[in-house]
Amino acid sequence: EAGVAQSPRYKIIEKRQSVAFWCNPISGHATLYWYQQILGQGPKLLIQFQNNGVVDDSQLPKDRFSAERLKGVDSTLKIQPAKLEDSAVYLCASSPRTAYGYTFGSGTRLTVV
Amino acid sequence: GDSVTQMEGPVTLSEEAFLTINCTYTATGYPSLFWYVQYPGEGLQLLLKATKADDKGSNKGFEATYRKETTSFHLEKGSVQVSDSAVYFCALAWDQGGKLIFGQGTELSVKP
Repeated sequence: EAGVAQSPRYKIIEKRQSVAFWCNPISGHATLYWYQQILGQGPKLLIQFQNNGVVDDSQLPKDRFSAERLKGVDSTLKIQPAKLEDSAVYLCASSPRTAYGYTFGSGTRLTVV
Repeated sequence: GDSVTQMEGPVTLSEEAFLTINCTYTATGYPSLFWYVQYPGEGLQLLLKATKADDKGSNKGFEATYRKETTSFHLEKGSVQVSDSAVYFCALAWDQGGKLIFGQGTELSVKP
C-alpha cells in the first residue's frame, strides 16, 4: 500500500512569511495527525483529525497555525506568520483507529530565517 | 501530565555489541508503550509495541518488556549491526489511534 505522502520535502522562508504543508494519508485511514519535531526533541502532536472533525488541537498555536482536512482525506497545515522558533520537521501520520501505531510520512523540514 | 524519558544519546557501539536504550514513563494507569525508529532521511517507523503490563514486544531482533513495577520499557538487542544506526523514540498512548507522547529520542551509531 502507498504510504503517507507529504510535500514539500524542504522549505526555507523568512520570518513573518506564511507557509503551507500538504499531507495525503493512506487510503481509508480515518485519523490524521500533524506532529512538530524540533531538532533534538521528540515529536509533539499539533492536531488530530477524525474524518473531517478535530479531535485534539490543544497544542496548536492557534494565533498563527491553522489546519484543515477537506472531505476527510487530504490535509493542509498553515503557519502565518512564521517565527524563528517554528523551524522544525512537520510530520503527518495516519491511522485506521482500529490498531495501535501509526504510519508516518517523511516530513517537511521547515527553516525560518 | 504524562511523559516519557529516554537515556541521553548519542550512543556509539561497535558492530555485534549488546544494546540497551532505557525508557521510563510517568502516567496515571497503564498506557500502551511503543518504540519507533527514524533512519536518516526517513519518517518514523513503528519498531515494536506492548499494550499491557508484562507484555514483550519484539521485531527485527529488538525486544522490550513492559514493566509496570518500574514504569519502564527498555529497548534491547543482542547484536547490533551498522544498519541499526538511527534515532530511537520511546512513546506512550492511551488508546488505539490516540495521540502518541514521545521521549526526546536516542541516537544510535554503530561502527563496523
